Amino acid sequence: SQQGEEDPQALSIQEGENATMNCSYKTSINNLQWYRQNSGRGLVHLILIRSNEREKHSGRLRVTLDTSKKSSSLLITASRAADTASYFCATERNTGNQFYFGTGTSLTVIP
Amino acid sequence: DAGVIQSPRHEVTEMGQEVTLRCKPISGHDYLFWYRQTMMRGLELLIYFNNNVPIDDSGMPEDRFSAKMPNASFSTLKIQPSEPRDSAVYFCASSYAGGTGGGWGYTFGSGTRLTVV
Repeated sequence: SQQGEEDPQALSIQEGENATMNCSYKTSINNLQWYRQNSGRGLVHLILIRSNEREKHSGRLRVTLDTSKKSSSLLITASRAADTASYFCATERNTGNQFYFGTGTSLTVIP
Repeated sequence: DAGVIQSPRHEVTEMGQEVTLRCKPISGHDYLFWYRQTMMRGLELLIYFNNNVPIDDSGMPEDRFSAKMPNASFSTLKIQPSEPRDSAVYFCASSYAGGTGGGWGYTFGSGTRLTVV
């Protein structure tokens, strides 16, 4: 990818369990975002965390950012079948307004 | 607002033909981005515009690709001549203030699935 890598590449869990996805990136960033992509659809913005923030919450989503390790994690609590999708992190470098996407984690939530 | 609108949704063309993909961004958004998604390379940023002006086209794979934004409500991505390796899903996205303004991120269109045979 142009910027980052998600880990794991694929994750399968039972409904009600928590799902954790990780993102590592290579260069200094201003911000990091997480997106969801349902099969055959465009990406949907979930949450943005700025480089001076360490943790952010939105509903069942919790995002952490560790700039010293150049990594972020996305936690989805109490997962639902509707959470089945691919999840991407995207980083905005210090040099511009464009975001670069990672390789994505494919999450399957089994009812 | 109907969101970012891309057309066509699917395009099948023969190698060597010209292909034009279209995008209508959200009204009021001042940034527009073109991405390409493939299994092998993931999501690649091809080019982006700010206030209709191309800012960075370093992601455009080669001279066969060109993009224009003649006004704030319309952009095109053209491939001429097309090749089988251009087969991918092409996404257009728009945002206000580069995506970080208000923390709203990008709004993506549904994409155009291009198949070059």
